[in-house]
Amino acid sequence: AQSVAQPEDQVNVAEGNPLTVKCTYSVSGNPYLFWYVQYPNRGLQFLLKYITGDNLVKGSYGFEAEFNKSQTSFHLKKPSALVSDSALYFCAVRDMNTGFQKLVFGTGTRLLVSP
Amino acid sequence: DAGVIQSPRHEVTEMGQEVTLRCKPISGHNSLFWYRQTMMRGLELLIYFNNNVPIDDSGMPEDRFSAKMPNASFSTLKIQPSEPRDSAVYFCASEPSGTGGLYEQYFGPGTRLTVT
Repeated sequence: AQSVAQPEDQVNVAEGNPLTVKCTYSVSGNPYLFWYVQYPNRGLQFLLKYITGDNLVKGSYGFEAEFNKSQTSFHLKKPSALVSDSALYFCAVRDMNTGFQKLVFGTGTRLLVSP
Repeated sequence: DAGVIQSPRHEVTEMGQEVTLRCKPISGHNSLFWYRQTMMRGLELLIYFNNNVPIDDSGMPEDRFSAKMPNASFSTLKIQPSEPRDSAVYFCASEPSGTGGLYEQYFGPGTRLTVT
């Protein structure tokens, strides 16, 4: 069964510093990987996805993620954090070999960017 | 496009009452998903539909929960009778299908349910 792990409940970073939010996945076939962000009292918003091709994926709001097949990871990164980036971040995986469209979400990582 | 629309945004009800949550997916999206989010359990998939047909309802917690999708533009999630432990934020999401899973899901703003 497909699964995704976000090992950190919370990540703290100072504004202007680089940030990384970690995600590892487990699927039997080829993974489709996604990052979502959730601001307080809002639904999840799509940030970026990896389907195939270049291992470095660029997304919304200056975020990017690096797909690493050997380490089964898909870490979210941003070169310079903003206070407004503070939110809850979810990694998700879809196993295309199962034939289902179900997305499996991680438990979420709260990012706190201090001024 | 207005995005995924959910109603009501907030619902407060007493234990034992029936609760109906509503969702209008993005026009042209053929897959619809119902999720529940709580602090304890995080984000859980309850059920999803493809072309109005329920595909996987293994996440529905018990028989008190039911979901329908009578047409491509409307879905309901019903809880009868409601219990305090059903208090959560319920999200609806939609996605184009027939694309091999390439597309992301679009989430609605959620319904915050409080059962007293």
